[in-house]
Amino acid sequence: DGGITQSPKYLFRKEGQNVTLSCEQNLNHDAMYWYRQDPGQGLRLIYYSQIVNDFQKGDIAEGYSVSREKKESFPLTVTSAQKNPTAFYLCASSRVFSGANVLTFGAGSRLTVL
Amino acid sequence: RKEVEQDPGPFNVPEGATVAFNCTYSNSASQSFFWYRQDCRKEPKLLMSVYSSGNEDGRFTAQLNRASQYISLLIRDSKLSDSATYLCVGDQTGANNLFFGTGTRLTVIP
Repeated sequence: DGGITQSPKYLFRKEGQNVTLSCEQNLNHDAMYWYRQDPGQGLRLIYYSQIVNDFQKGDIAEGYSVSREKKESFPLTVTSAQKNPTAFYLCASSRVFSGANVLTFGAGSRLTVL
Repeated sequence: RKEVEQDPGPFNVPEGATVAFNCTYSNSASQSFFWYRQDCRKEPKLLMSVYSSGNEDGRFTAQLNRASQYISLLIRDSKLSDSATYLCVGDQTGANNLFFGTGTRLTVIP
């Protein structure tokens, strides 16, 4: 079955460490996204990619980096510059980059900074 | 002002009840709207797209009121399995970016 796979599901990090969250999709979708979800807040867009080898900053990109070397993969690195990284991170994809397109989400990665 | 606003709830309703959620949006140019369902500690999943003419899927009805800038979700004959958080989503026209509400928590009680 097609879908989005995120790993790891749970991750603990010490302050000052960079961590990379994996996101792989086999839906043949062009667009991919990373969102962050905190309690009591809506999903906030970190980065998005409309097509391979292209990506754009979302609303809260500071302290994060991404790459899109393959259509299927859109990893997110949470750097030590991110001041409050503890959150639930969700990767999503859509057939094309358009507000009218439905997002398919991965199961999420829950990052805790100790 | 937030692009999309929802009453966070919680809504606690008995099994079999009818419950309605509203969601207001600030950008009158927004074109696309959705309701997603999110179970505790899980990812959001699409429940329904919202069309101008309104749409129904079984016990669920979604409507869009452009004049008052709100969308609604009606759930009839609530089931225990309907307990979840319902996220209202609207697009930011011109930027192709979706805005998510904070969600409305529903608990259906036996």
